[in-house]
Amino acid sequence: DAGITQSPRHKVTETGTPVTLRCHQTENHRYMYWYRQDPGHGLRLIHYSYGVKDTDKGEVSDGYSVSRSKTEDFLLTLESATSSQTSVYFCAISDQQGLGQETQYFGPGTRLLVL
Amino acid sequence: RKEVEQDPGPFNVPEGATVAFNCTYSNSASQSFFWYRQDCRKEPKLLMSVYSSGNEDGRFTAQLNRASQYISLLIRDSKLSDSATYLCVVNHKTSYDKVIFGPGTSLSVIP
Repeated sequence: DAGITQSPRHKVTETGTPVTLRCHQTENHRYMYWYRQDPGHGLRLIHYSYGVKDTDKGEVSDGYSVSRSKTEDFLLTLESATSSQTSVYFCAISDQQGLGQETQYFGPGTRLLVL
Repeated sequence: RKEVEQDPGPFNVPEGATVAFNCTYSNSASQSFFWYRQDCRKEPKLLMSVYSSGNEDGRFTAQLNRASQYISLLIRDSKLSDSATYLCVVNHKTSYDKVIFGPGTSLSVIP
């Protein structure tokens, strides 16, 4: 299995509080991604990174920010959590893009409940 | 219309049965295609890539029909361990390599 960890694995928080989720990889892969997974929607990309300090928005980025100060760490921050951000969050990594056959490896996920 | 659509199921099949899943995609510029498997409360994992010529991996066969914009996955001789959700994944170029996950099809293999 790819070396990807996420922390925390479970979190309960209150509306309006800031939350930071961490993704850590030991594979030295260039690309890192944050997804959320909700019933009926599949996985949806929040933000992604193509290198240290290089990040960009995905399709559901509103209310989220990210940072990548080291190759191995990709942080997702909910500045002011809302109940609509209750979800399962997955981090993924890949070592190549644009070649048509890239594979994404996923972390174990973080279950976030916003009350 | 969603970019990637799948029949959500659930598909309940007996052990040993053959089952097929279909997936349709809307963007004709899509370049690469995959099937991922996701066990309950676990992360998705790559099952197989899908090539234009079709490809097989043991009991699993994937097909791509670009003209009709659909992908299929055939599982032969179903095992209990095949019970999972199967995600269709499509990649195409926008400002980045846009990877779109379908909502998944749930399979339960029954003894």
